[in-house]
Amino acid sequence: DAGVIQSPRHEVTEMGQEVTLRCKPISGHDYLFWYRQTMMRGLELLIYFNNNVPIDDSGMPEDRFSAKMPNASFSTLKIQPSEPRDSAVYFCASRVAGGPNEQFFGPGTRLTVL
Amino acid sequence: GQNIDQPTEMTATEGAIVQINCTYQTSGFNGLFWYQQHAGEAPTFLSYNVLDGLEEKGRFSSFLSRSKGYSYLLLKELQMKDSASYLCAVRGTYAGNNRKLIWGLGTSLAVNP
Repeated sequence: DAGVIQSPRHEVTEMGQEVTLRCKPISGHDYLFWYRQTMMRGLELLIYFNNNVPIDDSGMPEDRFSAKMPNASFSTLKIQPSEPRDSAVYFCASRVAGGPNEQFFGPGTRLTVL
Repeated sequence: GQNIDQPTEMTATEGAIVQINCTYQTSGFNGLFWYQQHAGEAPTFLSYNVLDGLEEKGRFSSFLSRSKGYSYLLLKELQMKDSASYLCAVRGTYAGNNRKLIWGLGTSLAVNP
């Protein structure tokens, strides 16, 4: 199994630019999560999907952030316009339905906004 | 409010035993996870406790006391590769149809030769 795949692994952009992060969950997993990790705030859940449907987006910081999951094997997290305070590592994770099954994390995208 | 406390940093010697503590105050509780995260990498699952007591898995063990809001991760026979951040996460109340994970900031463990 290839695990959760994320791209790009690193992204450097300038303030005001649009950034799109991509994720392919593990095949057969019903849940997909987008997290942001910083030293100060740790791992923060931004949004999660169940069967491609967004369920809870209460962690999305503001309207500049949006996420989609057009099918079971692909999701995007978009930031438009980006700001320096968005600099962080963004992780995508997935898990199967039922029980307290652990989440499997992708390698993350390290975003730097100049 | 919801709060998870872990020590920020710990240092130990190769071959020794180290205990990483986690205390939590959450509005709901339905289990506690420990994850390991090497620098620059993704968190990976180590253990899950939902009932009180000790769960042993090789060199790693995890303990839970729900009445005290307390857990620890015990690492035995430390190896250099155990140098990593260890994240405690509590499975809390429902947000939608999924119980939300509340994450601690992690404990950075340095294993010295």
